[in-house]
Amino acid sequence: ETGVTQTPRHLVMGMTNKKSLKCEQHLGHNAMYWYKQSAKKPLELMFVYNFKEQTENNSVPSRFSPECPNSSHLFLHLHTLQPEDSALYLCASSHGGGLNSPLHFGNGTRLTVT
Amino acid sequence: ELKVEQNPLFLSMQEGKNYTIYCNYSTTSDRLYWYRQDPGKSLESLFVLLSNGAVKQEGRLMASLDTKARLSTLHITAAVHDLSATYFCAVEINTDKLIFGTGTRLQVFP
Repeated sequence: ETGVTQTPRHLVMGMTNKKSLKCEQHLGHNAMYWYKQSAKKPLELMFVYNFKEQTENNSVPSRFSPECPNSSHLFLHLHTLQPEDSALYLCASSHGGGLNSPLHFGNGTRLTVT
Repeated sequence: ELKVEQNPLFLSMQEGKNYTIYCNYSTTSDRLYWYRQDPGKSLESLFVLLSNGAVKQEGRLMASLDTKARLSTLHITAAVHDLSATYFCAVEINTDKLIFGTGTRLQVFP
């Protein structure tokens, strides 16, 4: 049990589909993150939410749309994706507010775009 | 653009041996983190280094930070098979923004 739960664990979608990834944290943290992990590339920061406010959008294409309704939940809405978007999408949380604490990661969603 | 580079990218070592993984970064930061990832699993936090000269040890792993050289090391002492995993360093450049290194895949064999 990592304290950060991601669903689904695996997702296969066509390029015209719309789907959403869900992340929930039970750690009382105030910051939540989306990272993309592709083969042979470093983890790429996508979005950061701090106290429900988006504080980082790392030049992510608009076909990825995050939503953070409260400090415990984070979504990543997907539409008209490309095959190169296939990757492991990791959600993470931390105390936030510059408290120098590590990120706690979920198990990720393995996304395949066909 | 911030670069966080790890060396080596792949390390195959025999049980009982010692080795060091290096993490170099290209911008000023005094906060660095080390994570471990097992195949098919999530990332697990190992060490949090918050100042120049910080040294942390846990079991056979020891991490250090030299902010002036922009270098962190992860030293492995007397490696065992259970240490086989991918190790990432991550540099904090703004409040709550972590940039990860390329990762070092470690394999320990008998």
